[in-house]
Amino acid sequence: DVKVTQSSRYLVKRTGEKVFLECVQDMDHENMFWYRQDPGLGLRLIYFSYDVKMKEKGDIPEGYSVSREKKERFSLILESASTNQTSMYLCASSLAGVSREQYFGPGTRLTVT
Amino acid sequence: QKEVEQNSGPLSVPEGAIASLNCTYSDRVSQSFFWYRQYSGKSPELIMSIYSNGDKEDGRFTAQLNKASQYVSLLIRDSQPSDSATYLCAVNKGGSYIPTFGRGTSLIVHP
Repeated sequence: DVKVTQSSRYLVKRTGEKVFLECVQDMDHENMFWYRQDPGLGLRLIYFSYDVKMKEKGDIPEGYSVSREKKERFSLILESASTNQTSMYLCASSLAGVSREQYFGPGTRLTVT
Repeated sequence: QKEVEQNSGPLSVPEGAIASLNCTYSDRVSQSFFWYRQYSGKSPELIMSIYSNGDKEDGRFTAQLNKASQYVSLLIRDSQPSDSATYLCAVNKGGSYIPTFGRGTSLIVHP
């Protein structure tokens, strides 16, 4: 079975802090994704990566950056956390190529106060 | 028009009934279609994928795809209270890494 893990299930940070969210997958998937999910807004793509050190902006990249130094690990960074970044953050991975199924991690519920 | 549309629900069905969840999409070049189940407070879990017109069955679940009419549906037979969740439809355009998700339909199966 595909296993995608995220570093924290719940996280509380203060406004202005730098926040790191880690995602690791163990199935040698090439593609990795970061989403946020908010009530009424559905899943929104922040960034994705199709290879090590490669990244592409999604629909809402502002205020976020990513890092992919190893194939299995994709990190999301909030440079200076703000209250409007309070959300559920979901990492997903998929095999190389297009139109492949995504497998999600358990999610991180981030609260910024 | 949203790219992937789902009725938000809730869709309420009695235990043992067939639940029918529908999804329409706007882009005719879409090639891959997925259904995910998401329990409250949890992450989406892949249920089924479908790529060709027609039906695809997996246990109590059947996905139906009609590219000419641009819709995909999910039927859940013998619905159980444990099927109560939000069901997300996702559609990939040809050549795209990234699926477009609908906002989901909430399903409630009552005993």
